[in-house]
Amino acid sequence: QKEVEQDPGPLSVPEGAIVSLNCTYSNSAFQYFMWYRQYSRKGPELLMYTYSSGNKEDGRFTAQVDKSSKYISLFIRDSQPSDSATYLCAMRSAGGTSYGKLTFGQGTILTVHP
Amino acid sequence: GAGVSQTPSNKVTEKGKYVELRCDPISGHTALYWYRQSLGQGPEFLIYFQGTGAADDSGLPNDRFFAVRPEGSVSTLKIQRTERGDSAVYLCASSLLAGAAAGELFFGEGSRLTVL
Repeated sequence: QKEVEQDPGPLSVPEGAIVSLNCTYSNSAFQYFMWYRQYSRKGPELLMYTYSSGNKEDGRFTAQVDKSSKYISLFIRDSQPSDSATYLCAMRSAGGTSYGKLTFGQGTILTVHP
Repeated sequence: GAGVSQTPSNKVTEKGKYVELRCDPISGHTALYWYRQSLGQGPEFLIYFQGTGAADDSGLPNDRFFAVRPEGSVSTLKIQRTERGDSAVYLCASSLLAGAAAGELFFGEGSRLTVL
């Protein structure tokens, strides 16, 4: 079983829809949680990060972390065709030499059609 | 350039050959990371440098893989005796040390390796 599970989709929604993406994980040592967006043939770019449990909002994006359930979510409001990409969750534990050792989910392919 | 630069962007080689992939990080970034992304999968950690030294190389799959960063800037990932299973996109990322604490890794576009 992978440490981080993410439904690969694909997910197709109409423009303006609310999109919900999520990941589950098994390693209780994970403390930092991130969402990356990756366009085709590009490197991932950081969208959101959250430390421990809670919500964080940035424009149309909201990230939620529920450590008790080992479940994280990303919500996209008023989705746009330009949001069409692969969304990757990533997480890591705190301290030591683990700063760069992110564990990624498989990625969810999202298409927003006009 | 302003971003992380990786060369070559594409590399096709034959099984058993030696390959080098180069990464030029963002100027001033002290931390450098290598990840590998297979088709339809998320990136998988390989190795992380802080300065010239490898801080964590636990993701290197076997001794055919080796990475160096001799002057604390450019890094080279070296793969010996390539196998078809090594085919993937090799991603390099860099960060300021403080940024790394928040997962602020800046990725390059990757080097796509195909082993025939």
